[in-house]
Amino acid sequence: SQQGEEDPQALSIQEGENATMNCSYKTSINNLQWYRQNSGRGLVHLILIRSNEREKHSGRLRVTLDTSKKSSSLLITASRAADTASYFCALFGSGANNLFFGTGTRLTVIP
Amino acid sequence: DGGITQSPKYLFRKEGQNVTLSCEQNLNHDAMYWYRQDPGQGLRLIYYSQIVNDFQKGDIAEGYSVSREKKESFPLTVTSAQKNPTAFYLCASSPLGGRSYEQYFGPGTRLTVT
Repeated sequence: SQQGEEDPQALSIQEGENATMNCSYKTSINNLQWYRQNSGRGLVHLILIRSNEREKHSGRLRVTLDTSKKSSSLLITASRAADTASYFCALFGSGANNLFFGTGTRLTVIP
Repeated sequence: DGGITQSPKYLFRKEGQNVTLSCEQNLNHDAMYWYRQDPGQGLRLIYYSQIVNDFQKGDIAEGYSVSREKKESFPLTVTSAQKNPTAFYLCASSPLGGRSYEQYFGPGTRLTVT
């Protein structure tokens, strides 16, 4: 399968805590992307990490990539209620010409 | 959702009717995509197009058809042959330069067929 698998499927935390979600995959990738989806809305691109990168930051987001373990993690620091959403990893495989999305992690941040 | 519009937001149809979902983008992106999302699930690729007048089947193309007559537009027709058409449909586009394939999504159309 070219899809990523997110873990956990659902996560509930208190506002101010950090949230970590993981994505594991089985294929070789060119890059891995994280997207956010608010309920009933379209997805929004958050961050892209290329296969030759190990870590990227964007504001309160930190993404790591371990190609030897075929896994990535998304860390949201100092979470806010507005971070409540579903988060998806998407793989751009080597030799592919489109993205493959995982099933997502549903994050709930309790005020 | 900027730059990509999908209409309508909600669509209701009777079983056996074909229905066309609109997707327009003003981002000058070469590639466009249609995804289906079922409750609590990820996105499944229906069709994609990287150039005008050309498109490719995704993982679940059966019962769907598309056209790409203009760069800005990529309408999706859900035909009566689609056995379970009720779902949330998302359109996306991406630039092909740089080959990152970062995608920009529209707000989605929720189709209900009864």
